Parts: sequence; C-alpha cells; structure tokens
Amino acid sequence: DPKIIQKPKYLVAVTGSEKILICEQYLGHNAMYWYRQSAKKPLEFMFSYSYQKLMDNQTASSRFQPQSSKKNHLDLQITALKPDDSATYFCASSQELGAAETLYFGSGTRLTVL
Amino acid sequence: GEQVEQLPSILRVQEGSSASINCSYEDSASNYFPWYKQEPGENPKLIIDIRSNMERKQIQELIVLLDKKAKRFSLHITDTQPGDSAMYFCAARGGSNYKLTFGKGTLLTVTP
Repeated sequence: DPKIIQKPKYLVAVTGSEKILICEQYLGHNAMYWYRQSAKKPLEFMFSYSYQKLMDNQTASSRFQPQSSKKNHLDLQITALKPDDSATYFCASSQELGAAETLYFGSGTRLTVL
Repeated sequence: GEQVEQLPSILRVQEGSSASINCSYEDSASNYFPWYKQEPGENPKLIIDIRSNMERKQIQELIVLLDKKAKRFSLHITDTQPGDSAMYFCAARGGSNYKLTFGKGTLLTVTP
C-alpha cells in the first residue's frame, strides 16, 4: 500500500505542451521533494519544500514549477515541454527537512515527450 | 555543492560471494549517508544508512563502512543472492544544504 502516491504512472506529451505531475504523501511528513531520473543523470535533485515553502531549487529552468496546495501535496507543473524533459520524475518526502532525515520515494511518473 | 562519486558502475558476482560498492564525497560537512536499492521499473528504496557518528553499521547481510577522514563510504553485501540483483545508489547529505546528492549508481548482477 503506497504511502506516496504519484499520478499518472505514465505520461506521454507532445513538444510544447504543458503537464502537471501529481504527488500526495500520507506519511505525515513535513518535507517534500522532486527528483528526476534519466539515463544521463540518475536521481537528480530538483526541489525541496518544507511546510509548503520552497527551500531549495536546483532546476535552472523556470518551466518547472512546483505547486503545494496542501501540506501533503507537491505537484510539479512543466510547461513548454521538450524531448529532453523525458525522464522518470520521483516525488519524495521526509519527516522534516533535516540533514539526517530518511528520504522515501514515490513510485514515479515516467514522462515521455515526443 | 556536494559531489558523490560511485564505483564501480557495473558489478557482476557469483551467488554466495561478496559484493562491494565504494563512494566518495567532497563536502566534509556531510553527515548522513544512505544507500538505496532500485529494481527495474520500481522506485528507489532505502536499504541501510549511516550517520557520521558511526564508522560501521550492519543489517543482516548488509554492511556499511564510513571513513570520514578519507571522505569515503562503502556498501558490502555478504553472501549475495540473485534477489540482490538491482541498481544501487549511494548518497550524501549534510551541512547547510539539505539536498541529498546521489552517486550515479551501480548495476549489480548476481549470477547463480
């Protein structure tokens, strides 16, 4: 029974379009993250949020916008999609945004941009 | 920011033998070092971690060693089984940056 739910599991988009990746966690955690995994860059950090506030952004492009409408939600909006955006996007969470906090990953959304 | 190097990228061992994966990091302030196992099509799952106040930690067949002076840590899987075949990632986090930085992964194959 997954505690970090990501939707959809698979997503196909055309170049230039916009998509939203959904993430909900039911672990009662206060920190949430987005990571991206591709053949070129395995498990690359993108964003971290703590109590619904952006704490760290390592994504150069403003096309990637996280959105936290609720404490246990952290969606990822991607605009003007490019083929290079094709990857598996993992949402993750930890109890707090602490250095020694265990990170738990969701099941991922595999995005393919044609 | 933190950089984590992981070697080897591919590791093939025979069932029953040991497998070792080595990682190094750059930021001396890093104080948390987890290891994740990822099977094809699945998400990464934490298998063992070590904090900087320890040098060695063991959970069943998994042993993690940490050498803070050399800024190196390693995972050792004893008595490997085919079910241990997967991608393994090391990571480091600490200091003022809470970002968990991952190595590039090791694809372990355990042959019968």
